[in-house]
Amino acid sequence: QKEVEQDPGPLSVPEGAIVSLNCTYSNSAFQYFMWYRQYSRKGPELLMYTYSSGNKEDGRFTAQVDKSSKYISLFIRDSQPSDSATYLCAMSAVDSNYQLIWGAGTKLIIKP
Amino acid sequence: NAGVTQTPKFRVLKTGQSMTLLCAQDMNHEYMYWYRQDPGMGLRLIHYSVGEGTTAKGEVPDGYNVSRLKKQNFLLGLESAAPSQTSVYFCASRDLVYGYTFGSGTRLTVV
Repeated sequence: QKEVEQDPGPLSVPEGAIVSLNCTYSNSAFQYFMWYRQYSRKGPELLMYTYSSGNKEDGRFTAQVDKSSKYISLFIRDSQPSDSATYLCAMSAVDSNYQLIWGAGTKLIIKP
Repeated sequence: NAGVTQTPKFRVLKTGQSMTLLCAQDMNHEYMYWYRQDPGMGLRLIHYSVGEGTTAKGEVPDGYNVSRLKKQNFLLGLESAAPSQTSVYFCASRDLVYGYTFGSGTRLTVV
């Protein structure tokens, strides 16, 4: 079993829809949770960062962490075609020197 | 612009050939990483460095070697390329707890 599980998709939704992307994990030591966005033929770029449990909002994006369920989510409101990309979750723990453990990535397609 | 620069961007190798991928960062980051990305596999860590002169193995180190002679540069070498090493290679550096900055990748095909 992988430490971080993420549905690879693809997930296809119409423009304007609310998108929910999720990851589950098994290591309770993870404290830092991140979402990266990767456009085709580009490197990943940091989108959202959350420490421990709770929510964080940045414009149309909201990241949620539920440590009791070992489950993290990324919500995208009013989705746009420009949001079409692969979204990777990543997480780390202090005792592993913050080395990131990655999900496989979910390919998201927003249809105009 | 500050960031991580990878060279080359594309390369085709014949089986058994060798090559070196160069990663350069201008952000004074201590930590640097080499990943490979294959369809359905996500990012897999090959080697990493926690500072100048140091290197360590990641998840999939076999067939690769690395060197960090200068803080700003991290080199990935393939001594004898194999078709299984066909992949997209990403270099990243990081500052403190988070903030991984990635390069734009090197697409390598081994025939």
